[in-house]
Order: sequence, then C-alpha cells, then structure tokens
Amino acid sequence: SQTIHQWPATLVQPVGSPLSLECTVEGTSNPNLYWYRQAAGRGLQLLFYSVGIGQISSEVPQNLSASRPQDRQFILSSKKLLLSDSGFYLCAWSVLGLDAFFGPGTRLTVL
Amino acid sequence: GIQVEQSPPDLILQEGANSTLRCNFSDSVNNLQWFHQNPWGQLINLFYIPSGTKQNGRLSATTVATERYSLLYISSSQTTDSGVYFCAVYNNNDMRFGAGTRLTVKP
Repeated sequence: SQTIHQWPATLVQPVGSPLSLECTVEGTSNPNLYWYRQAAGRGLQLLFYSVGIGQISSEVPQNLSASRPQDRQFILSSKKLLLSDSGFYLCAWSVLGLDAFFGPGTRLTVL
Repeated sequence: GIQVEQSPPDLILQEGANSTLRCNFSDSVNNLQWFHQNPWGQLINLFYIPSGTKQNGRLSATTVATERYSLLYISSSQTTDSGVYFCAVYNNNDMRFGAGTRLTVKP
C-alpha cells in the first residue's frame, strides 16, 4: 500500500534562518506531488506541484522553492525564513489526478 | 485559475441533526474530492467523486459536473464529525481547495 512521510512534525526557526522540509512517498511510481500551506484557521494554499523529476510548477511567488530530486521525493526550501512563512505545511500525492492523499504535515513557527 | 467556493463557512449543529455542505467551482474539472480535517490537522479522504452520487455510512456526496457544484450530506451528525470539510478540484494537474466549512457538532 502507499504511504507518505513528512518530517519534521514540528519546527521552530528564527527569522532569517534556512528551511528544508522533506516529503517521501512509498508504494507508487511517478506520482504528482504537491506542497500546500495552511495558515491558522484558514484554507489550503497551493504552493508548488510537480508532475515528474525536476519539473516544478510554482503557484505563489515568494521566498520558498521546491525541488524533486527523485521520483518519490519532494523538498520545500527557503534560504531565509520570514515571519509570514509560519504555518502548517502539507505534502500530498496523486496518480493521474485521481484520489489525492496527504501526509501528516509539518507545523512551522518562525520567531 | 479555477475558483472554488464552499458554503456555509461555519455551521453549528446539535448532535443528531442533518446538514448539507456545498462546493461550487468556476470551470470544468477532471476530478473532485471531499476531505475532512480533524482537530489534529490530518486530512482524511471522504469521497473521490468527479460525478454522480456516492454513499459511505452517514455521509454521502453528489457532484453535478455540468452545473459545476458538489454537495456533501451528513446525516445524524455526531460530535466526532466536527472539524473542517474541504472540497478540492483537479484541473490540469493542479489541485485547488475551497476555503472549507467549519462544522461544530454539540452534544
């Protein structure tokens, strides 16, 4: 069966520090991968999605970037965090636009 | 991009009541899903429903793709149904969410 992992579960970082969040999927090949951010009490904002290795589509211009170095690995990064980057980051996968499944998420607090 | 609107934004029910949540979308879509986000933040798949009607226990969903809306029905609500319900639509590989409906079921 397919599983999706995200780590870390929680993270507290100072403003201006770098960020790296990792998402890996098991049990499937060539999935579409997604990064979302959810501010407290708000909906899910699509940040990036990828349909294959090295293929990244960015939805919101900001100081975040994403990479897909392997088929089932999706990384979200920042060189310098801002206070506004705080939120709940969720990774998801789907195959051919069918059912999407979400990871457990990372709660990021930028101080 | 495609716009997704959910209503109502907030809903408070007494345990045992029924409810209907609505999702409207602005363009044709390849797929539509309903999710429940529990108090711990986990998103749980409820239905994959690009068209037609599906039922799973006390929950059912209907999507009328030609009229660009979907409905989620919750019958005999329980306190464990509380949380935020999201619909998400697929269009050209990206997946867009509505703002959600926050449901509170009181005992």
